[in-house]
Amino acid sequence: DQQVKQNSPSLSVQEGRISILNCDYTNSMFDYFLWYKKYPAEGPTFLISISSIKDKNEDGRFTVFLNKSAKHLSLHIVPSQPGDSAVYFCAASAAAGTYKYIFGTGTRLKVLA
Amino acid sequence: DAGVTQSPTHLIKTRGQHVTLRCSPISGHKSVSWYQQVLGQGPQFIFQYYEKEERGRGNFPDRFSARQFPNYSSELNVNALLLGDSALYLCASSVGQNSGNTIYFGEGSWLTVV
Repeated sequence: DQQVKQNSPSLSVQEGRISILNCDYTNSMFDYFLWYKKYPAEGPTFLISISSIKDKNEDGRFTVFLNKSAKHLSLHIVPSQPGDSAVYFCAASAAAGTYKYIFGTGTRLKVLA
Repeated sequence: DAGVTQSPTHLIKTRGQHVTLRCSPISGHKSVSWYQQVLGQGPQFIFQYYEKEERGRGNFPDRFSARQFPNYSSELNVNALLLGDSALYLCASSVGQNSGNTIYFGEGSWLTVV
């Protein structure tokens, strides 16, 4: 049972435009969400987080939106740059009592110059 | 500041052998988690350790074990290796143990079982 889903395996965007990566989850107990970027042969790099008490968090070019009623979050990258080309993972964790993050299967973003 | 460091970075083992992977967390982080990532999938949770105690275990067989040392570094051990254990093994550290703590990953250890 995949509790965190990234339904788009890949996405191509022109440089300078907005990239929107989506993530859906099924467990209503999830209360903290993370986004990571991963280049080949490297470990995942933390990008941005959001707590369930917020619906938006912004850090530079990266903004994460959380829609709890829809159990959906999205990562916006504006403007997109060729160096953003990587695989993006969303991850979710539940409140106290569990100590693990559940990851989606990733979306490969390609930013075209 | 040093991030999470893992060793070895690459290794090849034969079926049935044993492997030990090592991890040093970010300075000041007391929690270490291990994840397995196979090609095309997201990382899968194996263990979390906090203050040298196991605080969480994922759906992995007993062939997988881990421990955390007084300096908060950690080892992941896998016995009786199977071909299906070939994967990227990721260590992550965080300040605390609960939800709401961001986890930071190392570069990973690539294990190939032949």
